[in-house]
Amino acid sequence: DAGVIQSPRHEVTEMGQEVTLRCKPISGHNSLFWYRQTMMRGLELLIYFNNNVPIDDSGMPEDRFSAKMPNASFSTLKIQPSEPRDSAVYFCASSFGGRTTDTQYFGPGTRLTVL
Amino acid sequence: AQKVTQAQTEISVVEKEDVTLDCVYETRDTTYYLFWYKQPPSGELVFLIRRNSFDEQNEISGRYSWNFQKSTSSFNFTITASQVVDSAVYFCALSETGLYGDTGGFKTIFGAGTRLFVKA
Repeated sequence: DAGVIQSPRHEVTEMGQEVTLRCKPISGHNSLFWYRQTMMRGLELLIYFNNNVPIDDSGMPEDRFSAKMPNASFSTLKIQPSEPRDSAVYFCASSFGGRTTDTQYFGPGTRLTVL
Repeated sequence: AQKVTQAQTEISVVEKEDVTLDCVYETRDTTYYLFWYKQPPSGELVFLIRRNSFDEQNEISGRYSWNFQKSTSSFNFTITASQVVDSAVYFCALSETGLYGDTGGFKTIFGAGTRLFVKA
């Protein structure tokens, strides 16, 4: 079975540009998580969806970040406008069960570089 | 507030040595879950184990074993007879159930990770 799929795997953009990261969760999973990983702050949860509904977005850094989950098989994380400090690896994870205590399975990540 | 501490930033061992990665956590919740993930040089995060706070039995899976001690709030991970392929960053994580009860739960908090180098 396919795991969590993320695209693109690498993204290089210039400051001020819009960036859209995509995620396809594992089929049948009903929770989806977006994380950001940096050297300084480690792994941070940005937002968490359950049954396509955002449950906790307290980790979203600021209004430049937005996330959507229009259906059970697709989610996007958008940064507009992007800034150099957004450079990080962004992971999407999914789980079955609807709780943050369920095992989360991670995608390969998107390495974002903002110049 | 929940917290996970992995005090060992980097560990270097020679192949076939045993190595233990420490994880200490803080929580006020009585029901919580602990996890270990592996992040190899390729970058993905690989799930290794999930353990709930009511199950203090040690677990062994091949060369991997986990020692959960509630009394010391620790959930340590031991690799026996380490191999070069074990070289990776290992993350310990904690997730509580207190805020949303059984229907949600706090966010999962990850430790800073321990980078393990296994030399041939």
